Amino acid sequence: AQTVTQSQPEMSVQEAETVTLSCTYDTSESDYYLFWYKQPPSRQMILVIRQEAYKQQNATENRFSVNFQKAAKSFSLKISDSQLGDAAMYFCAYRAETSGSRLTFGEGTQLTVNP
Amino acid sequence: DTAVSQTPKYLVTQMGNDKSIKCEQNLGHDTMYWYKQDSKKFLKIMFSYNNKELIINETVPNRFSPKSPDKAHLNLHINSLELGDSAVYFCASSLTQANSPLHFGNGTRLTVT
Repeated sequence: AQTVTQSQPEMSVQEAETVTLSCTYDTSESDYYLFWYKQPPSRQMILVIRQEAYKQQNATENRFSVNFQKAAKSFSLKISDSQLGDAAMYFCAYRAETSGSRLTFGEGTQLTVNP
Repeated sequence: DTAVSQTPKYLVTQMGNDKSIKCEQNLGHDTMYWYKQDSKKFLKIMFSYNNKELIINETVPNRFSPKSPDKAHLNLHINSLELGDSAVYFCASSLTQANSPLHFGNGTRLTVT
């Protein structure tokens, strides 16, 4: 079974600084997709960024970028120029064509942004 | 607005009662899901339907019964509610393909007293 692990329950960063959230996963699949979701206090689940496993190029979305290391099964999220609005719970997630295409989540990392 | 909408947003009820949560999506997706988020914020899949057909049924008590009248709707009915059912329940939808991200509703916070 696929598993997703986020080893940092909590992280903090100063406003305008950069922070990296870690994620590792375990799979025997070669074709899959990885996602980062953000959950602010409003409880909404917001898609931050997506990475296709077959692509070597790391995905970027404005201030958000990933470091995808397929061999190491690692998928970290880098937030540059952190803003107060970035404070949220961040979830790493995995999806493959098998297993009914379910989205499997990590435990989450609570990010605090200090002014 | 195009979205996944679920109602109610909050649900407070007593043990032993039966309650339902409704979910609708107008994104044209063919797959819908129910996830449970516990007090530690962990998100676990409960059910998934593809074109009204049940494709994922995790180890969930049979007091929980999903119903999909059409591919745009997936409701969750819970019988004989227990204290341990208190959680946030999220509905989501996507296309079948794994590269399609899930779009989530805003969640229903269920409190059983």
